Amino acid sequence: GENVEQHPSTLSVQEGDSAVIKCTYSDSASNYFPWYKQELGKGPQLIIDIRSNVGEKKDQRIAVTLNKTAKHFSLHITETQPEDSAVYFCAASTNAGKSTFGDGTTLTVKP
Amino acid sequence: GAVVSQHPSWVICKSGTSVKIECRSLDFQATTMFWYRQFPKQSLMLMATSNEGSKATYEQGVEKDKFLINHASLTLSTLTVTSAHPEDSSFYICSARRSGGNTEAFFGQGTRLTVV
Repeated sequence: GENVEQHPSTLSVQEGDSAVIKCTYSDSASNYFPWYKQELGKGPQLIIDIRSNVGEKKDQRIAVTLNKTAKHFSLHITETQPEDSAVYFCAASTNAGKSTFGDGTTLTVKP
Repeated sequence: GAVVSQHPSWVICKSGTSVKIECRSLDFQATTMFWYRQFPKQSLMLMATSNEGSKATYEQGVEKDKFLINHASLTLSTLTVTSAHPEDSSFYICSARRSGGNTEAFFGQGTRLTVV
């Protein structure tokens, strides 16, 4: 089955700095890669996603890059703000829609 | 955007009783829904895939007789935790995939189950 590895497990940055979270996956059949933000006591919220036919996608301060050959994808958050503090999960999905999640990254943005 | 609602958001039950959790897609039809379990400070682990009108597909190690899933309509799937025990206490989260859509799945807000 699919195996998704996510690094780092914790990340602390100063407000205004950039944050980068990286994930690797094992199943070459995976073709959809969403990123979720989860706040304490709540379900995951989709913040950005990318499909295997695209190398990069950007939405304001958030960007995701995908290297399908190397089977890795990354989340980039620029100009971080305290409200960006949360747990971030990457996931890899196939056409069946079933997602395999990374272990999560706890991001802390210090004001 | 697509909205998925879970009910209840939290529940406390006595050991040995059963608890039902509902997952509804409010503004779209969902042929497929997924149920996940998340223990504190851990990732989401897929429990089962729920398909409208057919039996659910359970992941390895998940007891189908303990975690009953029913997907009776295109907007509702239910997860019933039968004979709950304290070790079943967890955060249960559903997601729904739009019928005929791509692989994007939308998540509910989760249900915190505490078995005492």
